Amino acid sequence: GDSVTQMEGPVTLSEEAFLTINCTYTATGYPSLFWYVQYPGEGLQLLLKATKADDKGSNKGFEATYRKETTSFHLEKGSVQVSDSAVYFCALSDRTGNQFYFGTGTSLTVIP
Amino acid sequence: DAGVTQSPTHLIKTRGQQVTLRCSPKSGHDTVSWYQQALGQGPQFIFQYYEEEERQRGNFPDRFSGHQFPNYSSELNVNALLLGDSALYLCASSLAASGGPYNEQFFGPGTRLTVL
Repeated sequence: GDSVTQMEGPVTLSEEAFLTINCTYTATGYPSLFWYVQYPGEGLQLLLKATKADDKGSNKGFEATYRKETTSFHLEKGSVQVSDSAVYFCALSDRTGNQFYFGTGTSLTVIP
Repeated sequence: DAGVTQSPTHLIKTRGQQVTLRCSPKSGHDTVSWYQQALGQGPQFIFQYYEEEERQRGNFPDRFSGHQFPNYSSELNVNALLLGDSALYLCASSLAASGGPYNEQFFGPGTRLTVL
C-alpha cells in the first residue's frame, strides 16, 4: 500500500543553519506530495506541495522537489529561524486524491 | 472566513465508554475526513464523508463510526473505548469537485481524547 517514510528526529539547529528533512514514498501511480507543519497546540498547516514529477514546491523559504526516480520529496531551507521550530510531516495523497498518508513527523528546534 | 472548527478541545473518558467528536468544515467545503494522531506519530486516516455517506475508510475497526449532516458538519463516534484510543483526533475538510489531482485538505486544531 501507499506509505511515507521520513527522517527521524528530533533535529536541533542553530539559527541561520541549513535544513534538510528527508522523505521517501511508496505509492501506486502518481501521487501528489506534500509537506505539512504543526506548531505546538495547533492543527496541521499545508507548507508546500507538488503534484507531478520534477515539480518544485516552495513557501516561506522552504523548498521540496518531487523526484520520481528516487521516490523522494526532501524538505530544505537555506537559513532557518527560531520561528520555524515545529513538527514537519511529509504526506502523499492516493490515486483518488482523497486519502492522505502521513509520515511519522520530524520535530525541529531552532536555537538562537 | 472561519476555518475548520472542532469540539470539544479536550475530553477525558474511561475504558468502555462511548465518545462523540464534532467538526464543522471550512466554509464552502463539502467533504470531511477524520484522522487519528497518536502521540509522536503522524495522522492516520480513519474515514471520509461526502454527501452524508462514508466514501472511503482506513484500517480502523467498526467501533469507529461517523456521520455527516446536510450542512456538511460531521461527527466521529467511538464505542467501547480502549486505552489505545487516546490520541489527537483531527478533522480535515475539502471540496470534492476541486478539479485538481488531489483535494486540498484543511485541518482543524483537533480534539485531544484521553482514555483512562
